[in-house]
Amino acid sequence: GDSVTQMEGPVTLSEEAFLTINCTYTATGYPSLFWYVQYPGEGLQLLLKATKADDKGSNKGFEATYRKETTSFHLEKGSVQVSDSAVYFCALTITDTGRRALTFGSGTRLQVQP
Amino acid sequence: EPEVTQTPSHQVTQMGQEVILRCVPISNHLYFYWYRQILGQKVEFLVSFYNNEISEKSEIFDDQFSVERPDGSNFTLKIRSTKLEDSAMYFCASTMEDVGTEQFFGPGTRLTVL
Repeated sequence: GDSVTQMEGPVTLSEEAFLTINCTYTATGYPSLFWYVQYPGEGLQLLLKATKADDKGSNKGFEATYRKETTSFHLEKGSVQVSDSAVYFCALTITDTGRRALTFGSGTRLQVQP
Repeated sequence: EPEVTQTPSHQVTQMGQEVILRCVPISNHLYFYWYRQILGQKVEFLVSFYNNEISEKSEIFDDQFSVERPDGSNFTLKIRSTKLEDSAMYFCASTMEDVGTEQFFGPGTRLTVL
């Protein structure tokens, strides 16, 4: 079946540090890939997405590139801020079958210290 | 900005009781979803709903669960006879029609079964 594997958290960084959160996937069809973020007390919000190989999704300084050869979609940010502290979820959906259900990774908690 | 809302934010119930979790999706969205997250585990897909019927469901969504859109605005998840293992955060989401578009999530209902 489809699955998403994320690096274990929590990840603790100092402000302005470089962030990488690893995400790899296995998929039965051609996936679209997503990163969602959950701030404390809130629902999941889409951070960025990529729908085909080599696409780069970007938003709010975060980037992730869809790598079909390594089945990866790692999240990066060059300089994190305290306000980036949240839980980050990698997810996929298999678009070529018309399915809409998202398959999520386990989430990675990011803590940014001033 | 339109958002998905969910009520209640926290529901406590006794094992064997019925619970109804309520969601108001974004008004012009057509697909509706329920997901759940057991504490410390992944966000898992339960069911999707389109045109007044279930379009997709997971193995978790057994006969104890049902969904309904009773009045054109609310979208509900009913658990007929709750079990201890139903304790989780339940998220509602909605989306426009196109496959691979963003799913907008509500803040969740924390269900605690005693």
